[in-house]
Amino acid sequence: AQSVTQLGSHVSVSEGALVLLRCNYSSSVPPYLFWYVQYPNQGLQLLLKYTTGATLVKGINGFEAEFKKSETSFHLTKPSAHMSDAAEYFCAVTSAYGGTSYGKLTFGQGTILTVHP
Amino acid sequence: DTAVSQTPKYLVTQMGNDKSIKCEQNLGHDTMYWYKQDSKKFLKIMFSYNNKELIINETVPNRFSPKSPDKAHLNLHINSLELGDSAVYFCASSQELTSGDPQHFGDGTRLSIL
Repeated sequence: AQSVTQLGSHVSVSEGALVLLRCNYSSSVPPYLFWYVQYPNQGLQLLLKYTTGATLVKGINGFEAEFKKSETSFHLTKPSAHMSDAAEYFCAVTSAYGGTSYGKLTFGQGTILTVHP
Repeated sequence: DTAVSQTPKYLVTQMGNDKSIKCEQNLGHDTMYWYKQDSKKFLKIMFSYNNKELIINETVPNRFSPKSPDKAHLNLHINSLELGDSAVYFCASSQELTSGDPQHFGDGTRLSIL
């Protein structure tokens, strides 16, 4: 079984400030991890993913995330927030191989990011 | 060019009716999915098809029937609609049914049951 917990359903930052969105996962097998962004009335867009290799992964729009196995975390960061970053962000996990979770994305409950001028 | 397109974008109907949502992808992907996003924005997978074959079927009521006429299309038919079916339904696709392959999402179909 796998699950994702996103700490904080709402995060508010000032423009230019650091963005930190927290994600912790649970998986009985090695995970693949994803961050998606959803703008109002749109579908989900992939920001970045971790499968294997380097644990610090860079994505689009200046976002990055670090896979920390010991902490079962995959937090999303951006050094300087922009107004256009305001959206809802979803962390997701799936299994790296086999099992009943293979091919299935399990999503967290989402974090709404608000950016103030 | 829209990669994953769903129609209709909005669907308002009465309880007990039957309705269909269509999905098409022009990415050449082999795998397609249906997700349900409830009023609290929680996303859950419903079905997955790989090369027209049903791969994932998550404890979804049998009032929901997916159909894949070819690997570029995955439609969702819902019989006897209930109030609890009100949600946003997302179609997605990926290159293969491998977990590392990112999924590409459509813009969703907002289903409202009166």
